[in-house]
Amino acid sequence: GENVEQHPSTLSVQEGDSAVIKCTYSDSASNYFPWYKQELGKGPQLIIDIRSNVGEKKDQRIAVTLNKTAKHFSLHITETQPEDSAVYFCAASMTGGGNKLTFGTGTQLKVEL
Amino acid sequence: GAVVSQHPSRVICKSGTSVKIECRSLDFQATTMFWYRQFPKKSLMLMATSNEGSKATYEQGVEKDKFLINHASLTLSTLTVTSAHPEDSSFYICSAGNSGSLYEQYFGPGTRLTVT
Repeated sequence: GENVEQHPSTLSVQEGDSAVIKCTYSDSASNYFPWYKQELGKGPQLIIDIRSNVGEKKDQRIAVTLNKTAKHFSLHITETQPEDSAVYFCAASMTGGGNKLTFGTGTQLKVEL
Repeated sequence: GAVVSQHPSRVICKSGTSVKIECRSLDFQATTMFWYRQFPKKSLMLMATSNEGSKATYEQGVEKDKFLINHASLTLSTLTVTSAHPEDSSFYICSAGNSGSLYEQYFGPGTRLTVT
């Protein structure tokens, strides 16, 4: 089955700096890669996703890049703000796999003033 | 759009009792819903996939007789934890797949279960 690894497990940045979280996946058949933000005591919130037919997607301060050959994808947050502090999860799934998501282990992002 | 609700948000029950958690898609039809369990500071662990009108598919190691799942309509799935024990205490989260999309899943706010 699919295996998703995520790094780093914790990340501390200064407000205004950029943050990058990286994930690798094992199954080349995976074709959908969402990123979720989870605040304490709440459910995950979809913040951006990318499909395998594109290499990059951007939404304001958030961007995701995908390298299918290397089987890795990354989340980039620019101009970080304190409200960006949360746990971020990457995930992977494939059509025909019942849309089941395989999650990474999560990254605790802390944006310091 | 794509709002998923869960009820209750928190529940405390005694050992041996059963508790039901509801998951609703509020503004879209969800042919597929998923139930996850999350331990503190850990990732989400998929428990089962629930398809409307059919039996749920459980992940390996998840007891189907203990975690009863019903998906009676396109907007409602329920998870019943039967004969709960303290080790069942956890954060349970559902997600719903929009039938109009092959990919996206939207998550509910979660239910904190504490078994005393």
